Amino acid sequence: AQSVSQHNHHVILSEAASLELGCNYSYGGTVNLFWYVQYPGQHLQLLLKYFSGDPLVKGIKGFEAEFIKSKFSFNLRKPSVQWSDTAEYFCAVNAGTGGFKTIFGAGTRLFVKA
Amino acid sequence: GAVVSQHPSWVICKSGTSVKIECRSLDFQATTMFWYRQFPKQSLMLMATSNEGSKATYEQGVEKDKFLINHASLTLSTLTVTSAHPEDSSFYICSATGYEQYFGPGTRLTVT
Repeated sequence: AQSVSQHNHHVILSEAASLELGCNYSYGGTVNLFWYVQYPGQHLQLLLKYFSGDPLVKGIKGFEAEFIKSKFSFNLRKPSVQWSDTAEYFCAVNAGTGGFKTIFGAGTRLFVKA
Repeated sequence: GAVVSQHPSWVICKSGTSVKIECRSLDFQATTMFWYRQFPKQSLMLMATSNEGSKATYEQGVEKDKFLINHASLTLSTLTVTSAHPEDSSFYICSATGYEQYFGPGTRLTVT
């Protein structure tokens, strides 16, 4: 069965600091990987996704993630965070064989101090 | 882009009553839809997979008699919470698969 592990439950950063959120998954086959963001009081928004190809994926709002197959990881990065990045971030995975049963990690709550 | 809607966005009901939540794919046909629930400050937990024209597949630990799912058409799936109790209060989110997976805005259920 698939599982997703996010290492940091709470992260507090100052504006302009760099961000890296860890995500590891457990699944033996081909996977599709996602990062979603949920701003306070709002619904999920897709930040970026990896299906195949270049393992360095660029998403919206300056976020990027790198798929490292050997480490089963898909860490999210942003060089310089802003106060408006305060939100909860979810890593998610589904089987890459056409199934869309997506499993979510526990989430990381990011607070950016102005 | 593809849009998934949910109705209602927020519902309050009394304990013991049933509540129906609709999930619609607005501009594409979805043979498969998924239902998730999200407790406050927690992640999304997959409840069930809803397939058009067939019975839903429930995840382990989810009571199928309590959470009735009907996927009557390629654009509509419904989740009915039967005999709701306060512990059923949660945020329910559906997703629909077209070319990719698209998430609805969620329905906040409060059971008093």
